[in-house]
Amino acid sequence: GENVEQHPSTLSVQEGDSAVIKCTYSDSASNYFPWYKQELGKGPQLIIDIRSNVGEKKDQRIAVTLNKTAKHFSLHITETQPEDSAVYFCAATDDGSARQLTFGSGTQLTVLP
Amino acid sequence: GAVVSQHPSRVICKSGTSVKIECRSLDFQATTMFWYRQFPKQSLMLMATSNEGSKATYEQGVEKDKFLINHASLTLSTLTVTSAHPEDSSFYICSGTLRETQYFGPGTRLLVL
Repeated sequence: GENVEQHPSTLSVQEGDSAVIKCTYSDSASNYFPWYKQELGKGPQLIIDIRSNVGEKKDQRIAVTLNKTAKHFSLHITETQPEDSAVYFCAATDDGSARQLTFGSGTQLTVLP
Repeated sequence: GAVVSQHPSRVICKSGTSVKIECRSLDFQATTMFWYRQFPKQSLMLMATSNEGSKATYEQGVEKDKFLINHASLTLSTLTVTSAHPEDSSFYICSGTLRETQYFGPGTRLLVL
């Protein structure tokens, strides 16, 4: 089955700086890679996703890059703000019908004012 | 769009009692819903995959007789924790699938005394 590794586990940045979170996956058949943001005591919220036919996707301050050859994908947050502080999870799926997600272990991002 | 709700948001019960958690897709029809549990500072652990009108598929190690899942309609799935014990205390989260994307509910905090 799929295995997703995520690092770093914790990341602290100054407000206004950029943050990068990286994930690697094991199954070359995986073709969909969402990123979720989870605030304390809440459910995960989809912030951006990318499919395997695209190398990069951007939405305002958030971007995701995908390297299929190396089987890794990254989340980039620019101009970080205190409200970006949360736990971020990457995920991958290789199951076309049920679309079960395999999650990374999560990154606690802290943006220092 | 793609909003998922859960009820209740938190519940406290006595050991040995049963607790039902509802998961609803408010503005879309979710053929597939997933149930997860999450322990503090950990990632999401998939418990089961629920398809409307059919029996749920449970992950290895998840007791189907203890965690009863019913997916009676395209907008409602329920998880019943039977004969709950303190070790069942956790954060339970459901998700509904719209096309390829999973949208998560806000979670239910269960505390078993």
